[in-house]
Amino acid sequence: NAGVMQNPRHLVRRRGQEARLRCSPMKGHSHVYWYRQLPEEGLKFMVYLQKENIIDESGMPKERFSAEFPKEGPSILRIQQVVRGDSAAYFCASSPASDTDTQYFGPGTRLTVL
Amino acid sequence: QKEVEQDPGPLSVPEGAIVSLNCTYSNSAFQYFMWYRQYSRKGPELLMYTYSSGNKEDGRFTAQVDKSSKYISLFIRDSQPSDSATYLCAIEGRSGGSNYKLTFGKGTLLTVNP
Repeated sequence: NAGVMQNPRHLVRRRGQEARLRCSPMKGHSHVYWYRQLPEEGLKFMVYLQKENIIDESGMPKERFSAEFPKEGPSILRIQQVVRGDSAAYFCASSPASDTDTQYFGPGTRLTVL
Repeated sequence: QKEVEQDPGPLSVPEGAIVSLNCTYSNSAFQYFMWYRQYSRKGPELLMYTYSSGNKEDGRFTAQVDKSSKYISLFIRDSQPSDSATYLCAIEGRSGGSNYKLTFGKGTLLTVNP
């Protein structure tokens, strides 16, 4: 059973460009969570999605950031007009159901904004 | 006061030592407690999960929760160089609907020297 997959693993963007991060949950998991890990900081919750629904985006910056989890295909975290402060590791986790105790994390995408 | 406090270390111990890692939390609504291990440039991997006060043992690892003091610990016996990683405590609430939102400590960097 393949784990949570994220791609790309490393992404370099110049200021003002768009970044698209993809997450494929574990097989059988329909709940996806995105977390951000800034340098010297802990993991911070960003958004929780189920298929075709955003359940909680309270941790997402109000501007430039969006997330989706379509009926078919991976979940996408999109950052428009990136700035240097967006440089971080972005982790996706998945679980079978929201009240399941365990979230399984992917390897992360490391975004560097030049 | 931050919701979860964790001493970032770094912590350096000789092989075979007993390691004690700790976190404190402020919100008594938190009910589920986890320890994740994160190797450098990798995603967090779930090590231990518990929801009640007391001890839970899994091989060389023991998780301890004291809800009255809002204090959680992870003990590693007979530590090995392969245990060298960052250890993250994570807490999940089960009230107010945000039962999926993990709150992480900043992590403690552990090095076990051969």
